[in-house]
Amino acid sequence: DTEVTQTPKHLVMGMTNKKSLKCEQHMGHRAMYWYKQKAKKPPELMFVYSYEKLSINESVPSRFSPECPNSSLLNLHLHALQPEDSALYLCASSQVLAAKYQETQYFGPGTRLLVL
Amino acid sequence: GQNIDQPTEMTATEGAIVQINCTYQTSGFNGLFWYQQHAGEAPTFLSYNVLDGLEEKGRFSSFLSRSKGYSYLLLKELQMKDSASYLCAVRDAGNNRKLIWGLGTSLAVNP
Repeated sequence: DTEVTQTPKHLVMGMTNKKSLKCEQHMGHRAMYWYKQKAKKPPELMFVYSYEKLSINESVPSRFSPECPNSSLLNLHLHALQPEDSALYLCASSQVLAAKYQETQYFGPGTRLLVL
Repeated sequence: GQNIDQPTEMTATEGAIVQINCTYQTSGFNGLFWYQQHAGEAPTFLSYNVLDGLEEKGRFSSFLSRSKGYSYLLLKELQMKDSASYLCAVRDAGNNRKLIWGLGTSLAVNP
């Protein structure tokens, strides 16, 4: 199994809603990532988990709350989002290697989020 | 600062060869990635270079010159399905799990 899966594929939510994005991988990768991508822009790193612990938070607003319940799952909890948060949200995973320069990130298909 | 430059758009003909260039100015270097991204889809890993030279994978090859801060992705025998955005990314030497991304090159393959 060489896939990263994400659900849902599409999500429409109001600014007062609470929703969650889910990501799963069964490649034995112990690093998992959340990215945000706007149209015609490169992915923008949000969070990195390593061994289920948050290792990087790129100063993301608190209305985005990540969670890594186990080594295969990564969630992103959304609350009180703004219309400008509408984007493609990508999950990625990579092995954790002693030589970090050898790690490669593999992306899931993304969740396209629209905030009204 | 850290900067990745690549052309915004390129056009090529089906069956031809195209070279997409990427230049980088970064503090330190720990590897360079090429990803392909079709519109509305996720980036797909194509290649990784950490040492100078050419890496070949089927129709795709990637070259790196660390002394020149330069890489290229070579696509041979172009197919219509190769129409996509090609993203160059350099690993952040200060934090290896962060990638510094170029803005991407949108390649259109015409019949």
